[in-house]
Amino acid sequence: SQQGEEDPQALSIQEGENATMNCSYKTSINNLQWYRQNSGRGLVHLILIRSNEREKHSGRLRVTLDTSKKSSSLLITASRAADTASYFCATEGNFGNEKLTFGTGTRLTIIP
Amino acid sequence: DAMVIQNPRYQVTQFGKPVTLSCSQTLNHNVMYWYQQKSSQAPKLLFHYYDKDFNNEADTPDNFQSRRPNTSFCFLDIRSPGLGDAAMYLCATALFAGETQYFGPGTRLLVL
Repeated sequence: SQQGEEDPQALSIQEGENATMNCSYKTSINNLQWYRQNSGRGLVHLILIRSNEREKHSGRLRVTLDTSKKSSSLLITASRAADTASYFCATEGNFGNEKLTFGTGTRLTIIP
Repeated sequence: DAMVIQNPRYQVTQFGKPVTLSCSQTLNHNVMYWYQQKSSQAPKLLFHYYDKDFNNEADTPDNFQSRRPNTSFCFLDIRSPGLGDAAMYLCATALFAGETQYFGPGTRLLVL
């Protein structure tokens, strides 16, 4: 299975602090994506990083990808209460089977 | 404007009574996915369509079927729901396989 492992499983920080989540995966990929899920809702796409990219930014989000270590990190800067959610990484393998494989997720809680 | 719509949002059914969940999209995307997500777990892919081509995951029970009558609509049929099928069912679309997925809000299924 290529399912990613996310670390930590749960993270609680004070509002205004930075939050970092990590994702590791097992096989070669075409791209890696991060999604957010608020409780009881669908997933929302945050950012996609391709295998030939090392870093990407979107607003307060910064994603890094290290294909040699098969790992990625998501940094949320200046966290807000509204960032409270579960965050999943998902990988598209480079064997063309048209699907994403989701990691186990990190539950982020921002304390006001 | 809603892009991926799932109906109903909540579904209660009886053990063994067939149920159909629906998904529609206004994005004209080629690919549609159905995921099952249980509490505090990652979404698990059940199957997906690339246009009219159906792709079943190897570990998806025969109890789960799907139909895609046209580009906009996709249905998930559970022929004989068991207690273990209680979960959130998520529909997602993508323009191309492996790229960004757009999720609906999900249907929460309760089996009594």
